Amino acid sequence: KQEVTQIPAALSVPEGENLVLNCSFTDSAIYNLQWFRQDPGKGLTSLLLIQSSQREQTSGRLNASLDKSSGRSTLYIAASQPGDSATYLCAVAPYNFNKFYFGSGTKLNVKP
Amino acid sequence: SQTIHQWPATLVQPVGSPLSLECTVEGTSNPNLYWYRQAAGRGLQLLFYSVGIGQISSEVPQNLSASRPQDRQFILSSKKLLLSDSGFYLCAWRGTANQPQHFGDGTRLSIL
Repeated sequence: KQEVTQIPAALSVPEGENLVLNCSFTDSAIYNLQWFRQDPGKGLTSLLLIQSSQREQTSGRLNASLDKSSGRSTLYIAASQPGDSATYLCAVAPYNFNKFYFGSGTKLNVKP
Repeated sequence: SQTIHQWPATLVQPVGSPLSLECTVEGTSNPNLYWYRQAAGRGLQLLFYSVGIGQISSEVPQNLSASRPQDRQFILSSKKLLLSDSGFYLCAWRGTANQPQHFGDGTRLSIL
């Protein structure tokens, strides 16, 4: 069974710092990987989707990379802002794409 | 554009009472639909998914059931709620396997 791990569980950084969030998965046979942010008490907002054939995806200050062979993905946030404070989750979809496996998230706090 | 609606936003129910949570998607046809539960401080647990009307797959044996009476409507139900059913319930949809998941705003369910 696929297991998804996100380390660290929490991260606190000063505003303006570049940072990296990590996501690792045990089974490299994935179809795609998706990053989300979740604000307290809210649903999940999709940030980036990386297909298994891709190495990275970019959206604004966000860049997500995927290394299937090592079972890892990273989410890079450039020039962090207080508005980036949220919990970030990754989810992997196996080739049976109707199942998704989520990590437990990294709670990010960007201090002004 | 596509939108997803979940209601109610919050619900307080006594133990042993029935439950009905509704999710609808607009702006797309034949979506894959999902129900997740998020317990406090934990990751998302996939409860049910559906690839079409009347087609429901259950991921976790539990006190809950799901139905899809219409193409873009997904309902989560219980005949008798347990204390352990408390949590944050999220509905999501996706089109094809290459497309991202999109989530509703969630329902906070508290069992007394």
